[in-house]
Amino acid sequence: NAGVTQTPKFRVLKTGQSMTLLCAQDMNHEYMYWYRQDPGMGLRLIHYSVGEGTTAKGEVPDGYNVSRLKKQNFLLGLESAAPSQTSVYFCASSYSRGQGNQPQHFGDGTRLSIL
Amino acid sequence: TQLLEQSPQFLSIQEGENLTVYCNSSSVFSSLQWYRQEPGEGPVLLVTVVTGGEVKKLKRLTFQFGDARKDSSLHITAAQPGDTGLYLCASRSNDYKLSFGAGTTVTVRA
Repeated sequence: NAGVTQTPKFRVLKTGQSMTLLCAQDMNHEYMYWYRQDPGMGLRLIHYSVGEGTTAKGEVPDGYNVSRLKKQNFLLGLESAAPSQTSVYFCASSYSRGQGNQPQHFGDGTRLSIL
Repeated sequence: TQLLEQSPQFLSIQEGENLTVYCNSSSVFSSLQWYRQEPGEGPVLLVTVVTGGEVKKLKRLTFQFGDARKDSSLHITAAQPGDTGLYLCASRSNDYKLSFGAGTTVTVRA
């Protein structure tokens, strides 16, 4: 049972480069999320999706774009990477029913460094 | 977005000691979740509390939800090195989203 899988696990970029982080879940969850985690700041929501073909902005969306073309996949894009985007990125998913008490299931993160 | 304050930020104790970490907000929680995150991994849900005054136990972990639903605590009895990790509280901000606290980093020394 894979759960939530993130690729790649590590990446180093130069300022201005672009890249896409992939998240895949095999639990048939409706909701998917992208967070970034920085020291002392907890998890901050970047974008989220409540279903295939839908996306919405979270707390810190600037500099990122997302797409949810298939229910099981949620992609996070950086069009022009900046050093401030150096972080650990986590994808999560959850069921929609009784969402307030449903757990979010997290991947193991992508460690991204922007030089 | 609901602001969650966690304290202390760091906690280092010897194996066998007890510890308590706290999660507070100035507004009422509709529900509260506690997660544990181990190094190199994503957070994993430990418990969800919903009712004011609720107490839940998970082996050596005891979770309390304040009567006014503005605070919660996590108490670990006889801590073990396997309890080492980042403990995060999270509250539901609307039907879709969770707001997370900054976390408490717990280190249990053997």
